[in-house]
Amino acid sequence: DTAVSQTPKYLVTQMGNDKSIKCEQNLGHDTMYWYKQDSKKFLKIMFSYNNKELIINETVPNRFSPKSPDKAHLNLHINSLELGDSAVYFCASSPSEARSEAFFGQGTRLTVV
Amino acid sequence: SQELEQSPQSLIVQEGKNLTINCTSSKTLYGLYWYKQKYGEGLIFLMMLQKGGEEKSHEKITAKLDEKKQQSSLHITASQPSHAGIYLCGAQYSNSGYALNFGKGTSLLVTP
Repeated sequence: DTAVSQTPKYLVTQMGNDKSIKCEQNLGHDTMYWYKQDSKKFLKIMFSYNNKELIINETVPNRFSPKSPDKAHLNLHINSLELGDSAVYFCASSPSEARSEAFFGQGTRLTVV
Repeated sequence: SQELEQSPQSLIVQEGKNLTINCTSSKTLYGLYWYKQKYGEGLIFLMMLQKGGEEKSHEKITAKLDEKKQQSSLHITASQPSHAGIYLCGAQYSNSGYALNFGKGTSLLVTP
């Protein structure tokens, strides 16, 4: 049973397209995150949700829109994809805002061509 | 500017050797987390340190947090090929509302 699962694992798409990445956690955690890992392996927080409410929105283009239909899901929708969006996107969850030992998904490698 | 610095950036050690990875924060930490990432995979949680001077061990991996809570070291004893991967430290600066800020990682290769 995968604790944090994200789909798809790989995504290759053309510039200008709109795409979504889905994430689900079955750990009963309150807090979920989206991180971006660039080509230099630098991992940076993008969004954080606590009980379906946005609590962190780092400086990311507004082409990126997270959506949390319920506390177990946090999806990431990206509009008008650009070459610079190519990266590995990780979903993660933690028990609460105060406890940050996050469990990570396997990542989605997005390649924009 | 980067608040969390890791060193070294990469490390190649022979199997059986000991090694240390350092993580230094420019601000006092609320918590410090160590993760391991195998190449092409997600992050695996290793340890969390919160108290100044705290030390934790898991199998052959030991992590310490200094008294001032601004520096942590991860020590691997008698390294094995299975220890290979990228080690990342993640900083928590507050007890609410903040995700982890990660260092740039240390890539470890263990040769036979």
